[in-house]
Amino acid sequence: EEQLVESGGGLVQPGGSLKLSCTASGFTFSGSALHWVRQASGKGLEWVGRVRSKAYDYATAYAASVKGRFTISRDDSTDTAYLQMNSLKSEDTAVYYCTRYRSGSDKFDAFDIWGQGTMVTVSS
Amino acid sequence: EIVMTQSPATLSVSPGEGVTLSCRASQRISNNLAWYQQNPGQAPRLLIYGASARATSVPARFSGSGSETEFSLTISSLQSEDSAVYYCQQYSDWPLTFGGGTKVQIK
Repeated sequence: EEQLVESGGGLVQPGGSLKLSCTASGFTFSGSALHWVRQASGKGLEWVGRVRSKAYDYATAYAASVKGRFTISRDDSTDTAYLQMNSLKSEDTAVYYCTRYRSGSDKFDAFDIWGQGTMVTVSS
Repeated sequence: EIVMTQSPATLSVSPGEGVTLSCRASQRISNNLAWYQQNPGQAPRLLIYGASARATSVPARFSGSGSETEFSLTISSLQSEDSAVYYCQQYSDWPLTFGGGTKVQIK
């Protein structure tokens, strides 16, 4: 079964840092781009960023709202992607999902596999 | 940034009735459009990709249509389990963007 599992969420103070993990199973992780999408309580979905595969030099892209504060990376040896979040703000409070393209590759496509999400709360 | 606008925000429909949800893109996106269903406390589920192709295991009562800037998702005969929020998403250009969602309620 193709699966993504997030971990690492929790409560953090404004200005603090947190690192989320997303572990894949059941598909060829190394060939897939991996994305992060977040959802504040009662709100819609917001794309956060993505990391491409080795074939594309692990290139990253970010939403304007997190650029310069968040960093996405990956470790293909453990089929895990990471979202390092620094300088956190209250507006970063959300459920964070990792997801991949339907094609399982690195080309524009819909998202077919989603993790269950991990909650991040930024509050003093 | 491509802005995705969904309408209406909320729909209330009787079981067995048909319903059509709309999604408009602020720029032409060809058929690079997906629809997702989300139940409370759950991750989104892919329903439609390429504007009109059903994802694996999606019932035939769900259908998508449209291209460039105007898209729609139709549920031909609403079932109780279809009560959810539906999102459209464009994957034509960066940043990837989602619509605000349409909540479908069962009368």
